[in-house]
Amino acid sequence: DTAVSQTPKYLVTQMGNDKSIKCEQNLGHDTMYWYKQDSKKFLKIMFSYNNKELIINETVPNRFSPKSPDKAHLNLHINSLELGDSAVYFCASSQGRVGYGYTFGSGTRLTVV
Amino acid sequence: AQSVSQHNHHVILSEAASLELGCNYSYGGTVNLFWYVQYPGQHLQLLLKYFSGDPLVKGIKGFEAEFIKSKFSFNLRKPSVQWSDTAEYFCAVTAPSGYSTLTFGKGTMLLVSP
Repeated sequence: DTAVSQTPKYLVTQMGNDKSIKCEQNLGHDTMYWYKQDSKKFLKIMFSYNNKELIINETVPNRFSPKSPDKAHLNLHINSLELGDSAVYFCASSQGRVGYGYTFGSGTRLTVV
Repeated sequence: AQSVSQHNHHVILSEAASLELGCNYSYGGTVNLFWYVQYPGQHLQLLLKYFSGDPLVKGIKGFEAEFIKSKFSFNLRKPSVQWSDTAEYFCAVTAPSGYSTLTFGKGTMLLVSP
């Protein structure tokens, strides 16, 4: 029944590794997002997809590569993980125009050691 | 591009006290405004939103917010807080057209002591 689900919930990995986070929404929304929340709780947009098409790509290192196989899924792959990548990553979805608000997933806490 | 400023980083209140959290935004056009709450260890949940019409918006859990266009403000209020309101509160703004994303303020941590 979870509207926006992310896996895994926790991820602890060593520097230099490659990892993926998955997100799925069952709300029928056509737009999905990845946000990064840093240690000071600041939320910053990373990517946005609409109907599988990348529409927003903020200034994010190219080690981060999103992929949307269909409009219900948005995955995030991170290469060569660095200590500064440690954060909580939130997936969200919305229907078209953002005016209707986002629904957020429960987050993935990534810790790079 | 829009930006959001939340004046208080930390607020400490006793139960039953009244709450007002400040939020100012910077954007040259029409905006949609939101308040989200993040309880400890949880995801963001929508408290309330403003698109147009009555500038006083009522949300869940007894929260309300007032949009004052002349002041570019959207302050969050609650007449009497409870211990369970302890959480991080985020104000957010977006343009109502196109595919603009939500821009968040840096959040205000509210601690309510019993």
